[in-house]
Amino acid sequence: ETGVTQTPRHLVMGMTNKKSLKCEQHLGHNAMYWYKQSAKKPLELMFVYNFKEQTENNSVPSRFSPECPNSSHLFLHLHTLQPEDSALYLCASSPKMENTEAFFGQGTRLTVV
Amino acid sequence: GQNIDQPTEMTATEGAIVQINCTYQTSGFNGLFWYQQHAGEAPTFLSYNVLDGLEEKGRFSSFLSRSKGYSYLLLKELQMKDSASYLCAVRDSNYQLIWGAGTKLIIKP
Repeated sequence: ETGVTQTPRHLVMGMTNKKSLKCEQHLGHNAMYWYKQSAKKPLELMFVYNFKEQTENNSVPSRFSPECPNSSHLFLHLHTLQPEDSALYLCASSPKMENTEAFFGQGTRLTVV
Repeated sequence: GQNIDQPTEMTATEGAIVQINCTYQTSGFNGLFWYQQHAGEAPTFLSYNVLDGLEEKGRFSSFLSRSKGYSYLLLKELQMKDSASYLCAVRDSNYQLIWGAGTKLIIKP
C-alpha cells in the first residue's frame, strides 16, 4: 500500500463511451502525475500537476482530459478513445516535483473495444 | 533524443546474484532511480543515485557512473519474491523523469 489509490482497477469501454479514472492521495503531496504504461514500453508521462496547476502536457491527444480539483484528487476523463489507448494508466504523487521519490497507485487497466 | 536502455528480460537462480544494467542518454542529469514492479502492482521505489558510486540497501545495491551514463542494480541472495520488473529512470535537467522499458527478472528455484 503506497498511499495512492486508483479506481477503478479495471475498465472496459467502447470507443464512443465517456469514462473517468480517479486517483486519490492523502500523503500531503503537492505534485501528481498521470502515466501510461504499455506492454514492453517505457512509462509515458501524460500530465503533471504541481500545486493543482498543470505544468506539463506531453502532446497527449485531447481525448484525454485531466482534472485536479484539489491537491488530493486527480481525474483523467476519457472520451472517444481508440483501441491503441488500451494500457495500464498509473497515477503517482510526490511531495514536490523535484522530490527524489514518487509514490504510485496500482493503476487502472483500461481496455478499449 | 533522450534514451534509457536496459535488458528486456533476465533469468537468475534463487540464492544467486544478478546485475541489471541501465545506460542512459539524457539532456542533463538530476538523479537516477530504480523501481520494482510486480505484475499487476504499482511500481515501488528501490533506490536513488545522484553522485557516482555505490549505494547499498540490504540485499539491493545501485551503482552510478555519470561520466559513462551507466548504472546497475545488484540483487544478492535472490529470493523467489524478487521476480518482478525493474525500471530504471533518469531525471533530466527539467526534472522530467525519463523511463526505461523495464527488465523482467525471472527467478528459478
